[in-house]
Amino acid sequence: AQKVTQAQTEISVVEKEDVTLDCVYETRDTTYYLFWYKQPPSGELVFLIRRNSFDEQNEISGRYSWNFQKSTSSFNFTITASQVVDSAVYFCALSVYSSNTGKLIFGQGTTLQVKP
Amino acid sequence: AAGVIQSPRHLIKEKRETATLKCYPIPRHDTVYWYQQGPGQDPQFLISFYEKMQSDKGSIPDRFSAQQFSDYHSELNMSSLELGDSALYFCASSPRTSGGGDTQYFGPGTRLTVL
Repeated sequence: AQKVTQAQTEISVVEKEDVTLDCVYETRDTTYYLFWYKQPPSGELVFLIRRNSFDEQNEISGRYSWNFQKSTSSFNFTITASQVVDSAVYFCALSVYSSNTGKLIFGQGTTLQVKP
Repeated sequence: AAGVIQSPRHLIKEKRETATLKCYPIPRHDTVYWYQQGPGQDPQFLISFYEKMQSDKGSIPDRFSAQQFSDYHSELNMSSLELGDSALYFCASSPRTSGGGDTQYFGPGTRLTVL
């Protein structure tokens, strides 16, 4: 069975602080895909990044960076110099190749509050 | 760029009534997914379609049914509504390649309230 765990339910930081959101996944599949989505207070789900299991290269996009480590089954997300607009719920998600459908299994989400 | 369109955005129904949610995927995306997100919960997969055929089914109640039409839009039909069906319903679309794993782009959601 597949599972995604986001142990941090809520995180509160002050603007300009760096913050890391943790994601740990479980799967026996060797081919799988990991995602991060942002859900701002308005409610929509915004795609941030996709990673496949064969690509452990870390990625940086502006203030966002992702650290994928297969050895620890983790796919952590770091926001550098956080801003108030980063306040949202962030979901880590997993899909496995063997499902052949791509359905996403989400973690419980981490609510990030960035205070001015 | 075109996004996933969902209608209606908000829906209020009484218990035991019926509701129909519509989803229009991004052009040239032939796979559609439906998810249900309860208050304070993570999205839960309901059902998916690829090329107008049901491709997978999750924890979808028997009271719910869905289909994908020839123009690739999809409808989620919900009957005998219960209070517990109150949730945010998302539709997502993706271009289909073998094995899944494509990025899913989500619509804005339909907020269903059952009174």
